[in-house]
Amino acid sequence: QIHLVQSGGEVKKPGASVKVSCKATGYTFPNFGISWVRQAPGQGLEWMGWITPYNGNTNFAQKFQGRVTLTTDTSTSMAYMELRSLTSDDTAVYYCARGVGEAAYWGQGTLVTVSS
Amino acid sequence: DIQMTQSPSSLSASVGDRVTITCQASQDIVNYLNWYQQKPGKAPKLLIYDASNLEKGVPSRFSGSGSGTDFTFTISSLQPDDIATYYCQQYENTWTFGQGTKVEIK
Repeated sequence: QIHLVQSGGEVKKPGASVKVSCKATGYTFPNFGISWVRQAPGQGLEWMGWITPYNGNTNFAQKFQGRVTLTTDTSTSMAYMELRSLTSDDTAVYYCARGVGEAAYWGQGTLVTVSS
Repeated sequence: DIQMTQSPSSLSASVGDRVTITCQASQDIVNYLNWYQQKPGKAPKLLIYDASNLEKGVPSRFSGSGSGTDFTFTISSLQPDDIATYYCQQYENTWTFGQGTKVEIK
């Protein structure tokens, strides 16, 4: 069975950084990209970017260029999303999902709260 | 960036009704279009991929059609379990989601 399990919720102060992890199991990790999507409270889905683990290629939404870093560790089947210079507008549930086209498998979501 | 215009933003229908949601892309995305269902507090669930292909295990009352810039998602007979928000998503290059359609029971 394929699962994506994310790290727990975080509370951060404005200006800080957050790193969310996503552990993939049940499939050959390098063979599928990992996408990151966030959802602010009561709002819609917003794509942040994706990474292909086998070569480390990335693609980002223009809005997040320069502020987000996506990495993977193929030895542990882990994906990471780091977002810097946090503001209250970054308060959201962050999801990882398998794939760079359709995403049939999603993590459970990680709530990141940015508050002073 | 490709923009996705999804409508309506919400709808209310009776059990058994046919429900239709549309998504329009700002440029040709061929068939690089997926549909998701999201229930409160849950991750999105893939229902339709590549515009018209039903994901495994998804009931056949869900369907999708379209190509190029205009796409349609249909629930042929609305069921109580279908109460959710539905999103279209293009992946022609980057990803863009539609604004979402909240479906309620009348």
